[in-house]
Amino acid sequence: GENVEQHPSTLSVQEGDSAVIKCTYSDSASNYFPWYKQELGKGPQLIIDIRSNVGEKKDQRIAVTLNKTAKHFSLHITETQPEDSAVYFCAASRRNEKLTFGTGTRLTIIP
Amino acid sequence: DAGITQSPRHKVTETGTPVTLRCHQTENHRYMYWYRQDPGHGLRLIHYSYGVKDTDKGEVSDGYSVSRSKTEDFLLTLESATSSQTSVYFCAIKTDDYNEQFFGPGTRLTVL
Repeated sequence: GENVEQHPSTLSVQEGDSAVIKCTYSDSASNYFPWYKQELGKGPQLIIDIRSNVGEKKDQRIAVTLNKTAKHFSLHITETQPEDSAVYFCAASRRNEKLTFGTGTRLTIIP
Repeated sequence: DAGITQSPRHKVTETGTPVTLRCHQTENHRYMYWYRQDPGHGLRLIHYSYGVKDTDKGEVSDGYSVSRSKTEDFLLTLESATSSQTSVYFCAIKTDDYNEQFFGPGTRLTVL
């Protein structure tokens, strides 16, 4: 089955700087890669996703890049703000199959 | 929150007692999921459903059962709770077109 590794487990960045979280996956047939943000006491919230027919996707300050050859994908947050502090999860799956999640990255934005 | 509610939101119970958690959705999605979340493990799939009375096991299904008698409700039952089942439980639905999953607010379960 699929195995997803996520790094780093914790990340602290100064407000205004960029943050990058990386994930690798094992199943070369995986073609759907979502990212979730989880705030304290809440359920994970889907913030962006990418499918294997594209290499990069942006949504305002958030972008995700995908390298299918190397089997890794990354979340990039630019101009970080205090409200970006949360735990972020990556995941991977084949089309219409179950998601496999990474173990999460706790991002702290330092004012 | 994609119209997903979970009940109860918090529960404390004793070892050996049965516990049922409920997930309710308002949008008639076919797929529903139960996950548990534990430090260092991320989100792990317990069971999922792909329609009324159609369910299957996930990676950590031992000690859990599920039922889905209506499209909108997916129940997770711990027949005899153990301390290792202390966790936060999340329900999720999957949209029919893009494989996007949306999560409920979670239930924090403590087994003493």
